[in-house]
Amino acid sequence: AQSVTQPDIHITVSEGASLELRCNYSYGATPYLFWYVQSPGQGLQLLLKYFSGDTLVQGIKGFEAEFKRSQSSFNLRKPSVHWSDAAEYFCAVGAVNDYKLSFGAGTTVTVRA
Amino acid sequence: EAGVTQSPTHLIKTRGQQATLRCSPISGHTSVYWYQQALGLGLQFLLWYDEGEERNRGNFPPRFSGRQFPNYSSELNVNALELEDSALYLCASSLAGPNTGELFFGEGSRLTVL
Repeated sequence: AQSVTQPDIHITVSEGASLELRCNYSYGATPYLFWYVQSPGQGLQLLLKYFSGDTLVQGIKGFEAEFKRSQSSFNLRKPSVHWSDAAEYFCAVGAVNDYKLSFGAGTTVTVRA
Repeated sequence: EAGVTQSPTHLIKTRGQQATLRCSPISGHTSVYWYQQALGLGLQFLLWYDEGEERNRGNFPPRFSGRQFPNYSSELNVNALELEDSALYLCASSLAGPNTGELFFGEGSRLTVL
């Protein structure tokens, strides 16, 4: 069965600093990988996704993620964080012929001035 | 284009009662998914409907049920409510099954069981 681990429950970062959120997955087949963001009181919004090809994926809001098959990782990065990036971030894994996405427990990002 | 819409936004019930939550997918999307987001537990897959049929369900008891209507909207019913059912219930839609990858989420219905 697939699983997703987000090792960091909570990260605090200063505005303008860089951000990296970790995601490790366990999946027997070739995975589809996703990062979603959830602002307070909101649903989830897709930041970026990886299906195949270039392992460095660009997303919205200046985010990028790198797929590393050897490490079973799909870490999310942003070079310079804005206060509006304070939210909860979820990594998810799915696959061809799978019927659902499996989500990690989420990482809450706090941005300090 | 309207996104996924859910109603009600908030719902308060007492133990033993029934709750009904509703979801309208994005126009053209035939698959609807329900997830439960309980505090500290992340998103847990509940149900997947496609073309009016329940295609799969997660590890939840039978008192969690639902249906999908001919217009692809969906309803989630939770019977015999328990305190631990308090959570944010998220509905998502996608084009014709999960292989397209992206799920589009609504803003959720927050159920509080007292």
